Amino acid sequence: QSVLTQPPSVSGAPGQRVTISCTGSSSNIGAGYDVHWYQQLPGTAPKLLIYGNDNRPSGVPDRFSGSKSGTSASLAITGLQAEDEAFYYCQSYDNSLTGPYVVFGGGTKLTVL
Amino acid sequence: EVQLVESGGGLVQPGGSLRLSCAASGFTFSTYSMNWVRQAPGKGLEWISYISSSSRIIYYTDSVKGRFTISRDNVKKSLYLQMNSLRAEDTALYYCAGDLGYSSSWFDPWGQGTLVTVSS
Repeated sequence: QSVLTQPPSVSGAPGQRVTISCTGSSSNIGAGYDVHWYQQLPGTAPKLLIYGNDNRPSGVPDRFSGSKSGTSASLAITGLQAEDEAFYYCQSYDNSLTGPYVVFGGGTKLTVL
Repeated sequence: EVQLVESGGGLVQPGGSLRLSCAASGFTFSTYSMNWVRQAPGKGLEWISYISSSSRIIYYTDSVKGRFTISRDNVKKSLYLQMNSLRAEDTALYYCAGDLGYSSSWFDPWGQGTLVTVSS
């Protein structure tokens, strides 16, 4: 059971827009920690997609965007392309007695129909 | 080119030990905090350990505390994970990943992973 909750799967046709939610609580996203998103293509390592809630690293297309509100965050992908088919993970931090620790969402499989 | 290359994975019996290494190149390793993240077969990502740039601050997830030890050598630009008392549930692809050490940092870069299989 992941601390951050993502839908197991989403799908969309080429050209469409899809969103992936990442729901947390007052001890993680709601505590003010940033949310980051990673894309994991089949058989490869995760790749940073969005950092600091809504920032794209150099080289990431502007079809990808992130947002955060309250205890949740979202990743939006517009103009869906076949190569976007991958797993997507959100990541943040959670408060503990010994200091913040890293938490990931369970991952969402994006299928391009 | 920014690169992290893990090594040291393999097949080990339950109760055994393994030492993973992660070699960095193409960026200033000594200024980055480093992490180990693992991914069990067909499962999601699980953060397991963090070490600050100076090695002064170290964290572990509860499931590996007392069994795993993270360390680094900034001269050799390398990160390590000593894994003892291995269990079947430690079977996973182990990634090293860098972060800039902020209070809410993201992970970038990532290595390609090294596979650890714990089985008799």
